[in-house]
Amino acid sequence: GDSVTQMEGPVTLSEEAFLTINCTYTATGYPSLFWYVQYPGEGLQLLLKATKADDKGSNKGFEATYRKETTSFHLEKGSVQVSDSAVYFCALSDLGLDMEYGNKLVFGAGTILRVKS
Amino acid sequence: GAVVSQHPSWVICKSGTSVKIECRSLDFQATTMFWYRQFPKQSLMLMATSNEGSKATYEQGVEKDKFLINHASLTLSTLTVTSAHPEDSSFYICSHRGTGETQYFGPGTRLLVL
Repeated sequence: GDSVTQMEGPVTLSEEAFLTINCTYTATGYPSLFWYVQYPGEGLQLLLKATKADDKGSNKGFEATYRKETTSFHLEKGSVQVSDSAVYFCALSDLGLDMEYGNKLVFGAGTILRVKS
Repeated sequence: GAVVSQHPSWVICKSGTSVKIECRSLDFQATTMFWYRQFPKQSLMLMATSNEGSKATYEQGVEKDKFLINHASLTLSTLTVTSAHPEDSSFYICSHRGTGETQYFGPGTRLLVL
């Protein structure tokens, strides 16, 4: 079945450091790819997404490019801030066999990011 | 953005009792609702999906008689863990989807069964 693997955390960085969180996937079809972020005490929020190969999703300074050849969707940010401290989840969307129940999300385990000032 | 709330945020119960978790979308109507569970250091695992007016569709390995899901209205879904046992202790997360592709997640409910 479909699966998502992301790097284990926690990742601890100093403010203004460069961030990369690796994510690779396995899918039988041609999924959409997502990054979700969960701030302390809050629900998961969509950070960015890409729906086809070579698409780049971007939001709040974060970027990720859908790489079909390497089945990857790595999350990057050039300069992290303390406020970026959160748990980041990579996910894919599989329509499944029943189109009516589309958008089933398969998640990675999550990566904790801690940014120190 | 859209807001989804969950209640309670955490619950401790005795083995054999039932626990109900509510999930509400506060500012939109949800046509599809999802329930996930997450074990420590593991992925969110989809438990079931429900559309308005339909019974929930459970993922393989999820007992529908144990995890009762009610799509009560366009803004409310509930998950009832019946006859809870310690192995049911987990973090339960709901999400609601309105029009479009995006799912909006609740903050989660931590269940501890003693």
